[in-house]
Amino acid sequence: SAVISQKPSRDICQRGTSLTIQCQVDSQVTMMFWYRQQPGQSLTLIATANQGSEATYESGFVIDKFPISRPNLTFSTLTVSNMSPEDSSIYLCSVAQRSYNEQFFGPGTRLTVL
Amino acid sequence: GNSVTQMEGPVTLSEEAFLTINCTYTATGYPSLFWYVQYPGEGLQLLLKATKADDKGSNKGFEATYRKETTSFHLEKGSVQVSDSAVYFCALSDNQGGKLIFGQGTELSVKP
Repeated sequence: SAVISQKPSRDICQRGTSLTIQCQVDSQVTMMFWYRQQPGQSLTLIATANQGSEATYESGFVIDKFPISRPNLTFSTLTVSNMSPEDSSIYLCSVAQRSYNEQFFGPGTRLTVL
Repeated sequence: GNSVTQMEGPVTLSEEAFLTINCTYTATGYPSLFWYVQYPGEGLQLLLKATKADDKGSNKGFEATYRKETTSFHLEKGSVQVSDSAVYFCALSDNQGGKLIFGQGTELSVKP
């Protein structure tokens, strides 16, 4: 399985600011995803990060709010823009190879917005 | 659309008790099914998986069988330990885009 790291592991931010979360994988992977886990809730897919092209967003998530980059096969960033307290969540990146049979998750970034 | 429904928690058991966490799904086609576990303060770990009907996934004493006729993937363990205390998520993938759809999670608490 791939080893996935995320930075920062946690942060406390002020309303109206933006935070960029990094996801680094120790090997090249086909697919990278970003999920959100709101307090006490399940995980919801934000978008699929596509290498060399724009991310594919799920219903209810937009690029202006959650811009995503994926410059290569081992790295991606998610930015949470113009934050409000409702954005307080754990943000997780995950990776998979083309077979989709296994998807592995990073440790998550715990974000608190005041 | 595709969806996953898990039994509500929290589930509280005594050590060495038998565990069942129910999971049912709605999906078109032939999804793959997964159980993930999230220990306190940690990230999500893949516990087991099954990719076709009648497959049994197993790991660390946990088992789940992919039942297409009942659209279920119940998680079982014969004898739980305190260290099994965690939140368990059932999930499916439609194998077409990699997207995972998660159930709401079931918190398990095992008492000594």
